[in-house]
Amino acid sequence: GESVGLHLPTLSVQEGDNSIINCAYSNSASDYFIWYKQESGKGPQFIIDIRSNMDKRQGQRVTVLLNKTVKHLSLQIAATQPGDSAVYFCAEREYGNKLVFGAGTILRVKS
Amino acid sequence: DTGVSQNPRHKITKRGQNVTFRCDPISEHNRLYWYRQTLGQGPEFLTYFQNEAQLEKSRLLSDRFSAERPKGSFSTLEIQRTEQGDSAMYLCASSLVGQANSPLHFGNGTRLTVT
Repeated sequence: GESVGLHLPTLSVQEGDNSIINCAYSNSASDYFIWYKQESGKGPQFIIDIRSNMDKRQGQRVTVLLNKTVKHLSLQIAATQPGDSAVYFCAEREYGNKLVFGAGTILRVKS
Repeated sequence: DTGVSQNPRHKITKRGQNVTFRCDPISEHNRLYWYRQTLGQGPEFLTYFQNEAQLEKSRLLSDRFSAERPKGSFSTLEIQRTEQGDSAMYLCASSLVGQANSPLHFGNGTRLTVT
């Protein structure tokens, strides 16, 4: 597979621990945010989304937190598993449903 | 598999040649997007369609790039006179407009290498 993220920030966690991945977004007018997971050689895979009128949303093992005051988004993964190892991107929606992606964070899960 | 399909998965071409990629979106989705991703970066928006209409093109999309979606279903992205700087992963995504929350669903991309 390809080697991605040569210069991306990396988060290393022990299997079973919780992970928190952070993202700063740029446009205060963005109304919708999405977290994607990207594995080597694959396209981004939708994880969870949140609208700007919310500050927290939970899915299965994942929680997204939105702080509009400081334009900050976080993804929390509970009980991290080896299959969670990937590059994680946050994205914000501008007009026209166009998504603008952040730089990404590598998550490495140690067994 | 009813997800977004892209072909080919890999393309190696010589500088100056033309290449064409195809994307088949999720069948009921009316919006289709093209993104480009280079190593270590997030995807960058190139262009998008609603049905057959191309609604926006990024400044990244030089005049060597053209995209079509003639019947509002599949789309093609053509790059003419390829340059080494065109080497990247080209990602297609689709979504359904009209939903309040409408995430983009991505294909697995076409990796282009220009030698």
